[in-house]
Amino acid sequence: QVHLVESGGGLVKPGESLRLSCEASGFTFSDYFMNWIRQAPGKGLEWVSYISSSGRAIYYADSLKGRFTISRDNAKNSLFLQMNSLRADDTAFYYCVRDGGGWSLDSWGQGTLVTVSS
Amino acid sequence: QSALTQPASVSGSPGQSITISCTGTRNDIGAYNYVSWYQQHPGKVPKLMIYEVNNRPSGVSNRFSGSKSGNTASLTISGLQAEDEADYFCSSCTTNYFVFGTGTKVTVL
Repeated sequence: QVHLVESGGGLVKPGESLRLSCEASGFTFSDYFMNWIRQAPGKGLEWVSYISSSGRAIYYADSLKGRFTISRDNAKNSLFLQMNSLRADDTAFYYCVRDGGGWSLDSWGQGTLVTVSS
Repeated sequence: QSALTQPASVSGSPGQSITISCTGTRNDIGAYNYVSWYQQHPGKVPKLMIYEVNNRPSGVSNRFSGSKSGNTASLTISGLQAEDEADYFCSSCTTNYFVFGTGTKVTVL
């Protein structure tokens, strides 16, 4: 059974950094593209970033303007999101999500909450 | 990357059919057959309901169906049930990679 567990969220001040982690199990992690998706409380879904199975192809939402960096360690079945220069509007639940193929997000973690507030 | 446009709310009585629209552009829905739909109950994680316009993952009821015409995709829920009350989001790949819809709250009257 696919299992995705995020960690690393918390309360930070504007301008600070945070690193999110996602531990995957129940499937061959290195075979799958992965994404970070976020959702502000009570709001809609927003795609943040994508990384190919090998890690060679990476894309980000234009709105992030280079502040976030996605990476993965296939040997440790782990996905990461380094977030710098955090702003209040980055406050959201951040989900680690598997791409099941055909741009279908078929498995979601439970999410980790990032709160940016002074 | 502008979000795909969905109606804020759709409602129906048990047993009825409802359709949720998802309008994009020639750069997303109009260009690719990679439209997906997600169901999210309050406090829960989104669940994939439809992928590649009209395919259902294993375990998803056949009461859910998808279609696409031009720049607009649609999700139809037939035989509406109380458990279908939830938020629904569409998504599509785009020339800038990926985008979600604004979301639709489905209410079962």
